[in-house]
Amino acid sequence: AQSVTQLDSHVSVSEGTPVLLRCNYSSSYSPSLFWYVQHPNKGLQLLLKYTSAATLVKGINGFEAEFKKSETSFHLTKPSAHMSDAAEYFCVVTSPGTGRRALTFGSGTRLQVQP
Amino acid sequence: EAGVAQSPRYKIIEKRQSVAFWCNPISGHATLYWYQQILGQGPKLLIQFQNNGVVDDSQLPKDRFSAERLKGVDSTLKIQPAKLEDSAVYLCASSLRGGGETQYFGPGTRLLVL
Repeated sequence: AQSVTQLDSHVSVSEGTPVLLRCNYSSSYSPSLFWYVQHPNKGLQLLLKYTSAATLVKGINGFEAEFKKSETSFHLTKPSAHMSDAAEYFCVVTSPGTGRRALTFGSGTRLQVQP
Repeated sequence: EAGVAQSPRYKIIEKRQSVAFWCNPISGHATLYWYQQILGQGPKLLIQFQNNGVVDDSQLPKDRFSAERLKGVDSTLKIQPAKLEDSAVYLCASSLRGGGETQYFGPGTRLLVL
């Protein structure tokens, strides 16, 4: 079984300050982990993914995430928030070693960026 | 490279009516997924195809939902009859093979059942 818990449903930051979106996962097998972003009325876009290579993963738009197996975490960070970062962010897990290959999504974190 | 295409983008129907959604995946992608995203929640898998065969439909409400992927390319998801709780965004995604590979999502179809 696999699951994802996003620890904050809403995060509000000021423009230019750091962003931290927290995610914990559970997986019986070596997981693949993703962060997707969803802007209003737009499709889901992949930010970054971890697939058992480097534990620090760099994505698009200055985002990065660190896979910590001991903490079963995959938190998303960005050094300096931009107004355009305001969106819904989903942490996602899949377990390639199992027969079920579909993604399991967290419930999402809405990021607000204040001017 | 063209992305995942879906139509229609919006649909409003009354309960007990039927509705169908269409998806055309990225060319060459063998795996196709349908997800349901209820407002305020993350997407939930409904069905996964590998070419034209079903890999996982364990969360598909089979008494009212059906899906097919003829010829292993585009796919249709149908709801008959619709219920109020079916109001959601229906997302189609595709990937090359499946496993831990990146899934590419279409813009979704927003369904409102009155």
